[in-house]
Amino acid sequence: NAGVTQTPKFQVLKTGQSMTLQCAQDMNHNSMYWYRQDPGMGLRLIYYSASEGTTDKGEVPNGYNVSRLNKREFSLRLESAAPSQTSVYFCASSEASHYGYTFGSGTRLTVV
Amino acid sequence: QKEVEQNSGPLSVPEGAIASLNCTYSDRGSQSFFWYRQYSGKSPELIMSIYSNGDKEDGRFTAQLNKASQYVSLLIRDSQPSDSATYLCAVSIRGAGGTSYGKLTFGQGTILTVHP
Repeated sequence: NAGVTQTPKFQVLKTGQSMTLQCAQDMNHNSMYWYRQDPGMGLRLIYYSASEGTTDKGEVPNGYNVSRLNKREFSLRLESAAPSQTSVYFCASSEASHYGYTFGSGTRLTVV
Repeated sequence: QKEVEQNSGPLSVPEGAIASLNCTYSDRGSQSFFWYRQYSGKSPELIMSIYSNGDKEDGRFTAQLNKASQYVSLLIRDSQPSDSATYLCAVSIRGAGGTSYGKLTFGQGTILTVHP
């Protein structure tokens, strides 16, 4: 079972470059989420999609955009990368609002 | 005040001991509470969920919830070196509209080390 698949696993960007982080789940979950994890800061919500066709901002949305392409896929785009966006990014999905998440394996992004 | 706070740690316990991890939260209306385990360099893994006041046991793990005190804890009995990891407390925090939409707010994590 694949669960939640994230690509790429590692990426190095130069300041100002753009990229899209891909996330796909095969569990037929309605809700999907993007978090970033920084040392001492815990996991912080960037954007979420409660259901197919809807997206909304989380705690730290500035500098990011998202697309819920279909029920399976939820992508995160950095339009103009900044060093402050150096982080580990996790995608997660959930069957319903009161269930826990299944996380992807993460993307380690470095912006130089 | 942070929305979800965990005891700062790190916590070190001997093998076979009970490890106790604590978490407080700010939203009195929160309904769902979770504990995740995260090994270094890996993604968080759900180990316990709890929704009602009291204790919930699963193998060596016991989650305890006290909504009146806005407090949730995780006990690990007979701790093993393989339990060494960061433990994340997560709580469904309601937004301005009064619903969480499944969003979880995480504490900063407590590093647990179990030494032989």
